[in-house]
Amino acid sequence: DAGVTQSPTHLIKTRGQQVTLRCSPISGHKSVSWYQQVLGQGPQFIFQYYEKEERGRGNFPDRFSARQFPNYSSELNVNALLLGDSALYLCASSPGWDSSNYGYTFGSGTRLTVV
Amino acid sequence: EDQVTQSPEALRLQEGESSSLNCSYTVSGLRGLFWYRQDPGKGPEFLFTLYSAGEEKEKERLKATLTKKESFLHITAPKPEDSATYLCAGVVGSARQLTFGSGTQLTVLP
Repeated sequence: DAGVTQSPTHLIKTRGQQVTLRCSPISGHKSVSWYQQVLGQGPQFIFQYYEKEERGRGNFPDRFSARQFPNYSSELNVNALLLGDSALYLCASSPGWDSSNYGYTFGSGTRLTVV
Repeated sequence: EDQVTQSPEALRLQEGESSSLNCSYTVSGLRGLFWYRQDPGKGPEFLFTLYSAGEEKEKERLKATLTKKESFLHITAPKPEDSATYLCAGVVGSARQLTFGSGTQLTVLP
């Protein structure tokens, strides 16, 4: 069974540029969440989407946006990149919106480096 | 403010030397406490979910327990392959998002 798939695995961007990260959830999972993990810290919640609607948003600036497609895949967009956006971006999928019932399965992440 | 704190930040054990990792939380309306294992450059891998004080779960050399204010991950007779960062997270908020601690980096020496 395919797990959560993220692309690309690594990315190098210049300050001020824009980036799009992609995630395909486990087949049958309708919820996708995005997390940012800075080196040496735990992941921080960015967004949750369920059935193509935003269900929650963490404490991140408006430069961060996301969407979920009819096939439940998702994209995370970050505009006007800053050096501080360098991190591992993780996608997690869940069958339903309430992770306390189902838990989350994480992908391997996209390592974004901003220079 | 919801907060999850893990200690110690790093732990080095000899193979076979049992120990415990701590996760304390101050979270309103906690709906579950998760433990994950994370290897370098990889995403977190699910280990356990605990829902109520007094609950315990076991998997191989790992046992997780939960009280009203903290959770422990006990590692019995660890092996080098248990070396990883262990993360705990509380389920909070209307989106049921995970609030993570900073993790404990465990190194088991042969």
